[in-house]
Amino acid sequence: DVKVTQSSRYLVKRTGEKVFLECVQDMDHENMFWYRQDPGLGLRLIYFSYDVKMKEKGDIPEGYSVSREKKERFSLILESASTNQTSMYLCASTPGGGVSYGYTFGSGTRLTVV
Amino acid sequence: GENVEQHPSTLSVQEGDSAVIKCTYSDSASNYFPWYKQELGKRPQLIIDIRSNVGEKKDQRIAVTLNKTAKHFSLHITETQPEDSAVYFCAATVSGGSYIPTFGRGTSLIVHP
Repeated sequence: DVKVTQSSRYLVKRTGEKVFLECVQDMDHENMFWYRQDPGLGLRLIYFSYDVKMKEKGDIPEGYSVSREKKERFSLILESASTNQTSMYLCASTPGGGVSYGYTFGSGTRLTVV
Repeated sequence: GENVEQHPSTLSVQEGDSAVIKCTYSDSASNYFPWYKQELGKRPQLIIDIRSNVGEKKDQRIAVTLNKTAKHFSLHITETQPEDSAVYFCAATVSGGSYIPTFGRGTSLIVHP
C-alpha cells in the first residue's frame, strides 16, 4: 500500500519556537506538497516541490519555509511559530511526468501553538 | 486563475437515498477533476476522478459526471450508507500548467440511519 507518512500526529509548541514537520513518501513520487486545513477556509497550499532541492511558493508561504534534500522527504519549517499557525497540516504527493494525478495525503499533523 | 465553487456546503440524507454534490469551475483549460473523501479525523482520500475526454465514470455506488460546455462536474452517490458520512472535496486541475489543483470548499455529507 502506498504511503505518505507524517512524523507527528499532534504537536504542541510555544510561540517563537522553530518547528519542523516531516513528511516521507515511499512511492518514488516527484511532486510533494504542504497544505494547511482550517475550518471554513478549506485546503490552502503553502509550498510545493517538483524535484529534489526545488521549491515553489504556494498561496500562503509567509512564515514558512521548506526543505527537500531527498526525493522521498519534504520538510515544512515554521521559522518562529505564532498562534495563527495553529492548524492541521497535510502533506501530499503525486507522480510527475507532465500529467495530473490525484493526491496521496499523509495523516496530517495537528499543530497547536500556545 | 481557476476558481472552483462547490455546493451544497452541507447535505443531509436518509440511508438509502442518493446524494449529489456539484462543482463549477472557471478555467476552460482544466482537464482533470478528482474527488476526495475525508472522514472525521482522517486524511482526505481520492475516491474517483475524471479527465476531460470522458463524460462519466462509475465505481460501484459512486459516479462522476462532467459537462465541459457548462464547466461543471458532479459526484453522485447512490444507496447511501452511514459510512458515507464525511466531507467531500472536488478539485480542478489544468494540465500543462503548474498541475496544482484548485479545491472546492467541501461538502459535509450526513447520512442518517
